[in-house]
Amino acid sequence: GQQVQQSPASLVLQEGENAELQCNFSSTATRLQWFYQRPGGSLVSLLYNPSGTKHTGRLTSTTVTKERRSSLHISSSQTTDSGTYFCAMALMSNYNVLYFGSGTKLTVEP
Amino acid sequence: EAAVTQSPRSKVAVTGGKVTLSCHQTNNHDYMYWYRQDTGHGLRLIHYSYVADSTEKGDIPDGYKASRPSQENFSLILELASLSQTAVYFCASSEAGTNSDYTFGSGTRLLVI
Repeated sequence: GQQVQQSPASLVLQEGENAELQCNFSSTATRLQWFYQRPGGSLVSLLYNPSGTKHTGRLTSTTVTKERRSSLHISSSQTTDSGTYFCAMALMSNYNVLYFGSGTKLTVEP
Repeated sequence: EAAVTQSPRSKVAVTGGKVTLSCHQTNNHDYMYWYRQDTGHGLRLIHYSYVADSTEKGDIPDGYKASRPSQENFSLILELASLSQTAVYFCASSEAGTNSDYTFGSGTRLLVI
């Protein structure tokens, strides 16, 4: 399968600090999404961003397709942001099938 | 409300036994997927399907079979469960299209002993 690498593997912040999560992928992605998983929970889609910059609430994703990388910026972190963030990509040859990275575990302390 | 429902929520299976994990979606989505998640790791694709009565292999299909008898239902079958198949299994569905959203089920925790 495709290689999707995320960094850092884990991140600990104090409430109010900003977080920057990175995602690199081995092939040109036609589709790039960020997901969130609460501890012990299921996954929910946060952002769809195959290229450029997208915003939703306190989240900003920037994807540079040519450089095969994407980032997720979380501003003014809150304790409820704690969980694991996954980057997932799909190829043009089969853009419906997502390949996931190993995730970044974020812990926001009060 | 559109949803993906997995059953059972958790299961303990004996090595060598047969295990069937079920998934039902009410989203009217064409695509359905089975992923496994190992502790501290991401999701790896096992099988997927884009139409009833047809399944496709993902990255790690060995030891697993899949069945899509209808658009709404997608099962994952472990004919001979092994210790290495202990994991959390997630089912998901999506429409066809590059920006279609994935809807995940709550997961099935499988422990093989």
